[in-house]
Amino acid sequence: QKEVEQNSGPLSVPEGAIASLNCTYSDRGSQSFFWYRQYSGKSPELIMSIYSNGDKEDGRFTAQLNKASQYVSLLIRDSQPSDSATYLCAVKGESASKIIFGSGTRLSIRP
Amino acid sequence: GAVVSQHPSWVICKSGTSVKIECRSLDFQATTMFWYRQFPKQSLMLMATSNEGSKATYEQGVEKDKFLINHASLTLSTLTVTSAHPEDSSFYICSANLAGPYNEQFFGPGTRLTVL
Repeated sequence: QKEVEQNSGPLSVPEGAIASLNCTYSDRGSQSFFWYRQYSGKSPELIMSIYSNGDKEDGRFTAQLNKASQYVSLLIRDSQPSDSATYLCAVKGESASKIIFGSGTRLSIRP
Repeated sequence: GAVVSQHPSWVICKSGTSVKIECRSLDFQATTMFWYRQFPKQSLMLMATSNEGSKATYEQGVEKDKFLINHASLTLSTLTVTSAHPEDSSFYICSANLAGPYNEQFFGPGTRLTVL
């Protein structure tokens, strides 16, 4: 079992709709959770961090964390073509220095 | 967010030569930096963890004598690909750990290496 799992996609969402990206992780001791966006040919960019159960909103992005279910998600409201990218879920344990990345979900926003 | 730079952004070299890539944290100090490699349409692969003032920790399967890492200061880590071969052609990306309660990791823009 992979430590951080994501559906590889592609996930196709019409412009203006809500895109929902999901991630599960195996280490119950994980403390920090991150979402990165990576455009083709570019490096990953941190867009959301979440550490407590519940929702965290930042503009059009909402991260949701459920530690009991070992589940973290990212919602993108009012999806734009510029949101088309690969979204990487990443998890860090309490004592670990490195982040464990999922393999990413490719999101495509269709006009 | 914190800014991380990499230099060069791209490099082309002949087989058998060595290439050095620099990673700098511009507005924060980073005791820990990471080096990744990414082949086209594939996932990020962690190569090594670079710790300021100590030896790097390499992931399984990564040759430490081929990929030399030096983290001589709190803002600079370097990766040297020694005796490069065409199969080393890839996108090399560094990241730096912003110490604090959240330990967020910020990526540099990457270096595209092509070995002829």
